[in-house]
Amino acid sequence: LAKTTQPISMDSYEGQEVNITCSHNNIATNDYITWYQQFPSQGPRFIIQGYKTKVTNEVASLFIPADRKSSTLSLPRVSLSDTAVYYCLVGVGSGAGSYQLTFGKGTKLSVIP
Amino acid sequence: EAQVTQNPRYLITVTGKKLTVTCSQNMNHEYMSWYRQDPGLGLRQIYYSMNVEVTDKGDVPEGYKVSRKEKRNFPLILESPSPNQTSLYFCASSRSSLDSDTQYFGPGTRLTVL
Repeated sequence: LAKTTQPISMDSYEGQEVNITCSHNNIATNDYITWYQQFPSQGPRFIIQGYKTKVTNEVASLFIPADRKSSTLSLPRVSLSDTAVYYCLVGVGSGAGSYQLTFGKGTKLSVIP
Repeated sequence: EAQVTQNPRYLITVTGKKLTVTCSQNMNHEYMSWYRQDPGLGLRQIYYSMNVEVTDKGDVPEGYKVSRKEKRNFPLILESPSPNQTSLYFCASSRSSLDSDTQYFGPGTRLTVL
């Protein structure tokens, strides 16, 4: 069963770039890496997903090294509205046609004015 | 509007009184799951379902039951709730069981067991 490890919390000033790293040493060959954002009292929502190398969308970038044992979510020029908990998700196949999903404990990002 | 709905949103109950939290999605998704969220522990998967009549345990299934009789519905059943099941519960769905498919989460159900 894959386990993910993230920093518990991070602080950043507005306008700075924030990088959050997730470790997933036991990632399987077919697993994708997905990041979700969660605001208080709301369900998580999708931010970005990747399999290898680098992925970029309008919200964030995701960097995945060749060994895929970690990934880094990069948020450019954060604002106060980016204050949230960020989860790294790695899927794990538990058998033919069956997938259990494991979230990390999340990283609480606090953006300071 | 594509969405995952949960009911009730808030529930206070007493130990041992059976309860059901409903979950419904209107996206024709195959994969549905339940999570609980506790301070410092993040999101932990309780049960998941690959499709109708196919369910499997997640990380913390003890004390919970689920059923998937229809594709759109995936109720979570607590036969005999206990105070350690006080938590924030989320239902989620995705197009398939592949982890490459985006999970869509419901708004959450805050359960308190006295």
